[in-house]
This record gives sequence, C-alpha cells and structure tokens, in this order.
Amino acid sequence: ELKVEQNPLFLSMQEGKNYTIYCNYSTTSDRLYWYRQDPGKSLESLFVLLSNGAVKQEGRLMASLDTKARLSTLHITAAVHDLSATYFCAVDGSGNQFYFGTGTSLTVIP
Amino acid sequence: GEEVAQTPKHLVRGEGQKAKLYCAPIKGHSYVFWYQQVLKNEFKFLISFQNENVFDETGMPKERFSAKCLPNSPCSLEIQATKLEDSAVYFCASSQSARVWNQPQHFGDGTRLSIL
Repeated sequence: ELKVEQNPLFLSMQEGKNYTIYCNYSTTSDRLYWYRQDPGKSLESLFVLLSNGAVKQEGRLMASLDTKARLSTLHITAAVHDLSATYFCAVDGSGNQFYFGTGTSLTVIP
Repeated sequence: GEEVAQTPKHLVRGEGQKAKLYCAPIKGHSYVFWYQQVLKNEFKFLISFQNENVFDETGMPKERFSAKCLPNSPCSLEIQATKLEDSAVYFCASSQSARVWNQPQHFGDGTRLSIL
C-alpha cells in the first residue's frame, strides 16, 4: 500500500517567517495534490502537480514535486495569520483513490 | 450544482443503529469518492464510483458498509449496525474527467457521524 508521510505534523511559526512542509511517498507516482483544511471545514484544493519538476505558486505558497525523490514540498513565504490551517498532501494511487498524508497543522503567531 | 453537497451535516446514532449519508456530486462529474476522516487528520479511502458503477471498493469494510450511486439520485453510504469506531467525519468528493488524475477531487463539507 502506498504510504504518504508529512513532516512536521505540527508547525508553529511567527508572522513574516518562511518555512517548508515536506511530503514523502513510498511508491512511484507523478501526480500529487495539496489541500488546505480549516477546522471543521472541508478540503480546499491548493495545487495540482502532475510531473517531475512541477512548481506552482499562489500568493505566499509555492509547491514543487520531485518524482525521482518521491518528495513534494510546500513552501510558505512571509507567513500571515490567515495561513493557519491544516495542510494535506495526497498522492494518486491505483484506482484513482487518493492516499493522504498525515497532515501538517500550521499555526501562525502574530 | 457547483458544489459537492453532503447531507446531513451531523448524524447521531446509538450503537447498533443504521446510518445513511448522502452526497450529490458536482453536475457533470463522473467520479464520486467516499473518505472517512478519523481523529481529525487521518483520511481513509472507502469506495469510488464511475457514474453508477463501483470503480474501486478496496477500502470498504465489507460487512456493514455499503454504498450506491443511482441515476438521478444522490449517492449514498450506509452503515448497518453501527459501532463506536464508526464515529468520524465522512467526506464525499467528485471529479470531472475520465482521466481523473489531471483534476483535483472536489470535496463536500462532510457528514459528522457520532455513535453513542
């Protein structure tokens, strides 16, 4: 079974700082997705990464994919409070089901 | 509609009772997925449909869980003889194309199932 690991699980960072969330997965896949979940809410799609070397940016978030290393990163630049949420990566497995990472709970402190 | 609509938002059942959850996918989306989120973070895939046909049911507990997607009706997930461990948020997602990998799955708001 495909395993997806995220780290860190919990991240507390000050406003204005930069940080990176890592997503490792265990078998070959060239399709990876990042989602955001606010407490008690649904999953919001952030990025779709479909090939090795893919890089996408939206505001203060940038995601990249290295399929050879089986690694995706979500980089946060100059964090603001509004980015506080739980971030999930998901890898497309057989049958098109998603295998989700463990989630990274991000808190941005003023 | 433009959103995945799940009902009810909350469902409370006594242990041993039946629970039935509903999901209306985004109009035009051919694929429907059900996930179970336990302990706030862990997502477990349950089952997927391509239109009304089961596409992948490898995650479904066979004994008490069943699901359907019938034409012109919301999809449903039914749990017979519920157990305490079934307490979770159940998310439905839909996606558009036959090549689902180039589309993100769009998620509903979830149904919080509490078994007492």
